[in-house]
Amino acid sequence: SQTIHQWPATLVQPVGSPLSLECTVEGTSNPNLYWYRQAAGRGLQLLFYSVGIGQISSEVPQNLSASRPQDRQFILSSKKLLLSDSGFYLCAWSIPRSGGPSSYNEQFFGPGTRLTVL
Amino acid sequence: GESVGLHLPTLSVQEGDNSIINCAYSNSASDYFIWYKQESGKGPQFIIDIRSNMDKRQGQRVTVLLNKTVKHLSLQIAATQPGDSAVYFCAEIASSGGYNKLIFGAGTRLAVHP
Repeated sequence: SQTIHQWPATLVQPVGSPLSLECTVEGTSNPNLYWYRQAAGRGLQLLFYSVGIGQISSEVPQNLSASRPQDRQFILSSKKLLLSDSGFYLCAWSIPRSGGPSSYNEQFFGPGTRLTVL
Repeated sequence: GESVGLHLPTLSVQEGDNSIINCAYSNSASDYFIWYKQESGKGPQFIIDIRSNMDKRQGQRVTVLLNKTVKHLSLQIAATQPGDSAVYFCAEIASSGGYNKLIFGAGTRLAVHP
């Protein structure tokens, strides 16, 4: 069976400090990988997605970046955190889409990382 | 632009009652609509989806209704239980650059009282 891991579970960082959040998936190969951010009491906003090693697409401009050094590893980073970066960060994976534009495959979410920037 | 929104931010129900959570969407081209459940401090969990060519789909204790005429989606939970307390998100599929992305609504909090 497939599992998705995220760490750390919680993180408190000062403004201006760097960030590195890690996500790994087990039990599947060549997954699509996603990073979402959820502000308190709000919905999920897609930040990045990746369809393969080294392939990263950004959905919104920000001071965050993502990397995929291995097939099942997805990393979210920042060189200097802002107060507005606080939130709940969720990693998700899905089987690559097949069957054309009208098809989709379910996304499975990790447990999340609660980031507080002070 | 694309958007998915919700009518009620909070819904309180008595245990055993039926719950109805509503959602409005704006992208008529979406092929799928999905409901997720998110418990406090956890990631969202898939509940049920519905394809755009359907108007109703049933699962275990849940039913999703799609009204494309008024661009409205609803999730019905039968015999609501305390374990159903969570935030519920609707999401729509949007095709973007060769892959499908989820666009989430803001969420509705369901509180089940004994």
